[in-house]
Amino acid sequence: NAGVTQTPKFQVLKTGQSMTLQCAQDMNHEYMSWYRQDPGMGLRLIHYSVGAGITDQGEVPNGYNVSRSTTEDFPLRLLSAAPSQTSVYFCASSPRSGGADTQYFGPGTRLTVL
Amino acid sequence: AQSVTQLDSQVPVFEEAPVELRCNYSSSVSVYLFWYVQYPNQGLQLLLKYLSGSTLVESINGFEAEFNKSQTSFHLRKPSVHISDTAEYFCAVKGAGSYQLTFGKGTKLSVIP
Repeated sequence: NAGVTQTPKFQVLKTGQSMTLQCAQDMNHEYMSWYRQDPGMGLRLIHYSVGAGITDQGEVPNGYNVSRSTTEDFPLRLLSAAPSQTSVYFCASSPRSGGADTQYFGPGTRLTVL
Repeated sequence: AQSVTQLDSQVPVFEEAPVELRCNYSSSVSVYLFWYVQYPNQGLQLLLKYLSGSTLVESINGFEAEFNKSQTSFHLRKPSVHISDTAEYFCAVKGAGSYQLTFGKGTKLSVIP
């Protein structure tokens, strides 16, 4: 099992550019989510998915788009990058959507927007 | 909705000394509580979690946390820290029936040789 994988590890964008952060898990997990981590702010939920074809917004969804066409993949799209989106992005998955299942985190993508 | 407050952003402690990292939460429903640890340049890993039953939960590397419903707290403790415990620790809460895990802002534990 590779667990949760994220690509790329690092990315630099110019303001206004778009890009997709990739996330995949090979554990057949139902639930997947995206967080951003900023210094002194902890992790904040951007979007989450409770199964293929089902997504919903978290705490800070503006400027981001997601889709979940398969159980394994949950890409995060930045539509028009802004400097405020400079952050470290983590993808996570857990076996079920409800309950107290452990979330398994990927290694993160460090994004800088100039 | 639920929220988490970690009362200390940084905690320096000498090696082999005890440590307590404080966490308070608020929620209108029953909750599940978690502590995650993040080592430098890595993702988060689960340290321990409280679901129900015994209010004291333990991890495999000597940490423990006690759920206190009346004080809405879930403080993390270790009787003797090692250099390898240097990391950032996040308290998190999930309300029963919720899909969302809410994190605190984190506490950076620095163990001084």
